[in-house]
Amino acid sequence: AQTVTQSQPEMSVQEAETVTLSCTYDTSESNYYLFWYKQPPSRQMILVIRQEAYKQQNATENRFSVNFQKAAKSFSLKISDSQLGDTAMYFCAFMRGGANSKLTFGKGITLSVRP
Amino acid sequence: EPEVTQTPSHQVTQMGQEVILRCVPISNHLYFYWYRQILGQKVEFLVSFYNNEISEKSEIFDDQFSVERPDGSNFTLKIRSTKLEDSAMYFCATQADRAGVNYGYTFGSGTRLTVV
Repeated sequence: AQTVTQSQPEMSVQEAETVTLSCTYDTSESNYYLFWYKQPPSRQMILVIRQEAYKQQNATENRFSVNFQKAAKSFSLKISDSQLGDTAMYFCAFMRGGANSKLTFGKGITLSVRP
Repeated sequence: EPEVTQTPSHQVTQMGQEVILRCVPISNHLYFYWYRQILGQKVEFLVSFYNNEISEKSEIFDDQFSVERPDGSNFTLKIRSTKLEDSAMYFCATQADRAGVNYGYTFGSGTRLTVV
């Protein structure tokens, strides 16, 4: 079984600064995907970024990037130039490869961006 | 951009009553899921559904829960006799089949179920 651990329950960052959210996971699978989802107060689940385990290159999406350390089973999210709209709950999630696979989520971290 | 539509957005029901939560998947998506999030807690897998059958279900998905896609469009989650602890946000998610490449899900906006 897979597990996803987000050990920091809350973080705060000043607007325009950079923040890193941590995530570790455990699996015996060799083919898998990792995701970060954002959940604003509306509670909608919004995909932020996705990483394939077989790719060594870290994924980036505009201000969002990941540091994927496969051997350490670590998958952190870096948010650059933080904006007030980034205030949300962020969930790290694991999915084994192939279609029809369930997502296993971490407990989430509440990020507050201060003006 | 295509969306997954969930109705209702909020439902209040008496304990012991049956509820049906509805989801309209994206039209070319083949895999369907229900997840649950109790307030302030993590998102938990309930069930996956493909080709009109349950593919996998969690321990949470007991005999009180059922899913179906009766008309080829709506994907429904039924809770037969609701309990107070069923109060949660319920998310539908759908996924396309893209030649073995997994792009993740598209989530609906959720149904907030309150059992009183």
